[in-house]
Amino acid sequence: QKEVEQNSGPLSVPEGAIASLNCTYSDRGSQSFFWYRQYSGKSPELIMSIYSNGDKEDGRFTAQLNKASQYVSLLIRDSQPSDSATYLCALVDLYSSASKIIFGSGTRLSIRP
Amino acid sequence: GAVVSQHPSRVICKSGTSVKIECRSLDFQATTMFWYRQFPKQSLMLMATSNEGSKATYEQGVEKDKFLINHASLTLSTLTVTSAHPEDSSFYICSAETSGADTQYFGPGTRLTVL
Repeated sequence: QKEVEQNSGPLSVPEGAIASLNCTYSDRGSQSFFWYRQYSGKSPELIMSIYSNGDKEDGRFTAQLNKASQYVSLLIRDSQPSDSATYLCALVDLYSSASKIIFGSGTRLSIRP
Repeated sequence: GAVVSQHPSRVICKSGTSVKIECRSLDFQATTMFWYRQFPKQSLMLMATSNEGSKATYEQGVEKDKFLINHASLTLSTLTVTSAHPEDSSFYICSAETSGADTQYFGPGTRLTVL
């Protein structure tokens, strides 16, 4: 079983709508979670980090964490064509002494005009 | 803040040659740096973790004699791909974090093409 699961997509969302990206993880003890955005041919860019249950908002982005259900989600409001990218869910490997990050395989998001 | 650079951004080399990639943290001291490899349409795969002044820790299946990592200072780590072959062609990305933090900041990546 993969440690971080994401639907590979592509997820197609009309411009201006809300894009909802989901991620589940297998290790119940995980504490630190991240969403990265990766444009084609570029390296990942950190969008949000979340550590506590509930919602965390930053501009058009809202991360949601539910540790009981072991899922993390990212909502993008007022989606723009520039949001089209692959979104990587990640968490810190509990069993690593060096804060290794485990990445999901990513969800491709396409915002259609 | 938290800017990480990589050099070169793109390199093409002949099979059998060695290529060195530099990763620098520009505005912070990076106690730990990570090296990833990403093949087309796949996610990032961690190759190794390097701590300043000590030997790198390699992930299972990564040849330490082929991928030489040096973390000589708190702002610089290098990855040398020795005797490169076409199957080593990939996107190599480094990341860095500071002591006590668990957020990694990524460099822009180096695209290696081995002919």
